[in-house]
Amino acid sequence: GESVGLHLPTLSVQEGDNSIINCAYSNSASDYFIWYKQESGKGPQFIIDIRSNMDKRQGQRVTVLLNKTVKHLSLQIAATQPGDSAVYFCAENPPHRTSYDKVIFGPGTSLSVIP
Amino acid sequence: EAEVAQSPRYKITEKSQAVAFWCDPISGHATLYWYRQILGQGPELLVQFQDESVVDDSQLPKDRFSAERLKGVDSTLKIQPAELGDSAMYLCASSPGAREQFFGPGTRLTVL
Repeated sequence: GESVGLHLPTLSVQEGDNSIINCAYSNSASDYFIWYKQESGKGPQFIIDIRSNMDKRQGQRVTVLLNKTVKHLSLQIAATQPGDSAVYFCAENPPHRTSYDKVIFGPGTSLSVIP
Repeated sequence: EAEVAQSPRYKITEKSQAVAFWCDPISGHATLYWYRQILGQGPELLVQFQDESVVDDSQLPKDRFSAERLKGVDSTLKIQPAELGDSAMYLCASSPGAREQFFGPGTRLTVL
């Protein structure tokens, strides 16, 4: 039979508004975090990253905030556009005995932009 | 712009059959990853290669899955025999070793 996936958390925003997507990570020893964007039928695409010695990093229209105290990561998208509609995943890089660049993906949030 | 190539893009097979997926990473990327992504979930790592060597295959169901990267360039992931629960997107990614991973478009597998 067909496997049924989990229902993704969904965020709907009006075009031009700011979006905030939240993520809770699991390993307090993780020292590197990444946000990926995945459009329908495509592989994940890197958006922005942040190391654990920082609490904020800005890119073009995107900002990532890291709160290590509560193991929380957020992605802010300014002036959201229809092309931002996608599923967004946070990923953490925990310590690993054989690979320093192994990442663990979170469950994802579906962003829908209303024109 | 260099991209990770994967083929086929879509594969439909019957359970108990064998399937194989191919990945060609970005030229010069030493690290290659295979992920499985079930609909509605994040990708889960199956196997990681550094050049031709397996670095991590702890999540690979080795009774039916196998992966190789014989010359340290392109890679093949095989499932034999396929089961209904294997229906998913299989993603390949490569990295130059600087933590950022570049993903291919994936192979959508449907097992009937």
